[in-house]
Amino acid sequence: DIQMTQSPSSVSASVGDRVNITCRASQGISTWLAWYQQKPGKAPKLLIYAASTLQSGVPSRFSGSGSGTDFTLTISSLQPEDFATYYCQQANSFSPTFGPGTKVDIK
Amino acid sequence: QVQLQQWGAGLLKPSETLSLTCAVYGGSFTDYFWTWIRQPPGKGLQWIGEISHSGSTNYDSSLKSRATISVDTSKNHFSLKLSSMTAADAAVYYCARGGSGYYRYYFDNWGQGTLVTVSS
Repeated sequence: DIQMTQSPSSVSASVGDRVNITCRASQGISTWLAWYQQKPGKAPKLLIYAASTLQSGVPSRFSGSGSGTDFTLTISSLQPEDFATYYCQQANSFSPTFGPGTKVDIK
Repeated sequence: QVQLQQWGAGLLKPSETLSLTCAVYGGSFTDYFWTWIRQPPGKGLQWIGEISHSGSTNYDSSLKSRATISVDTSKNHFSLKLSSMTAADAAVYYCARGGSGYYRYYFDNWGQGTLVTVSS
């Protein structure tokens, strides 16, 4: 199975801050990567797929980049509703796997 | 607007079989793959497996021997059975829709989740 890691595991930030979350795959996955946002007690929400394509309805302050093994999710100006846990997920193989998550909380 | 609604027993004893069903409302049922994903309390997400409308399945290797996913296209339902449940299987279980074609592993619609507890 392809293993996914994320850094940092948590980040404290203020409204208006720029936040970067990094995801690394144990082997090359081209751009077969998604990012999800999850709030407590809720199902994950797809934000970005194919590494950089914004899902319909997702605000443009979210962006994704990267290919191969290294990927980044950027929130350009953090809003109050963005405090949540973010997961990356590889979609390259017939056994998709998720990263351990990055919690974004209020500084 | 696609909606996934899931149900099933939330409290099981060790060795029992988990049974969950997910109903799909709106959108096409035949164009997508239908998936189960779980999340132990306070932990990350694990893909369990998927099924197509025609009944083609694919499972995570660690659960393959215990998991069965089935589909009822007459009702736009799909189901998960997981046998020999232990405390390690306690989790919130989600049903989800995978994209069509090459995007089958991008999960764009999710059920509300079912908390499953395993206790004697």
